[in-house]
Amino acid sequence: AQSVTQLDSHVSVSEGTPVLLRCNYSSSYSPSLFWYVQHPNKGLQLLLKYTSAATLVKGINGFEAEFKKSETSFHLTKPSAHMSDAAEYFCVVSSSGGYQKVTFGTGTKLQVIP
Amino acid sequence: GAVVSQHPSRVICKSGTSVKIECRSLDFQATTMFWYRQFPKQSLMLMATSNEGSKATYEQGVEKDKFLINHASLTLSTLTVTSAHPEDSSFYICSASLTSGYTDTQYFGPGTRLTVL
Repeated sequence: AQSVTQLDSHVSVSEGTPVLLRCNYSSSYSPSLFWYVQHPNKGLQLLLKYTSAATLVKGINGFEAEFKKSETSFHLTKPSAHMSDAAEYFCVVSSSGGYQKVTFGTGTKLQVIP
Repeated sequence: GAVVSQHPSRVICKSGTSVKIECRSLDFQATTMFWYRQFPKQSLMLMATSNEGSKATYEQGVEKDKFLINHASLTLSTLTVTSAHPEDSSFYICSASLTSGYTDTQYFGPGTRLTVL
């Protein structure tokens, strides 16, 4: 069984300040982890993914995430928020133990205040 | 690379009619395609998984006779909502992956907004 928990449903930051979106997961197997971003009425865009290589993963638009096995976390960060970062962010886990399904987090809505 | 398109982007139909949504992988061959449904301000709910040339696998609670999925080629999957009702109004999103395993990256289409009157 696997699950993913996004600890904050809403995060609000000022433009130019750091962003932290939290994600914790549970998995019986070695997981692959993803962060996707969704702008209003749009599909999901892949930001970054972890697949058992380097634990610090760099993605697009200045985002990065660190896989911490001991904490079962995969938090998404960005040093300086931009207005265009305002969107919904989804943490996703999938496991390599056979045909495990992907599991989506409930999403975190990021608000960027000018 | 890895672009997925959906058509139409928005559709409005009358109750009782059927609607077909197309999902295409434009620059790669997708062994597996997934169909999701998203309600307002909620996460994505997986409806079904389809592999080219075989029957789709539906998630528990999803009516296979109502949501018909056809994965005719490695670049095209279709979802047909049959006898649509207002409660079927939703945002439908497809995704495609390069391999048949769930651990592979899924590339998402832009979504189709279905409104049933």
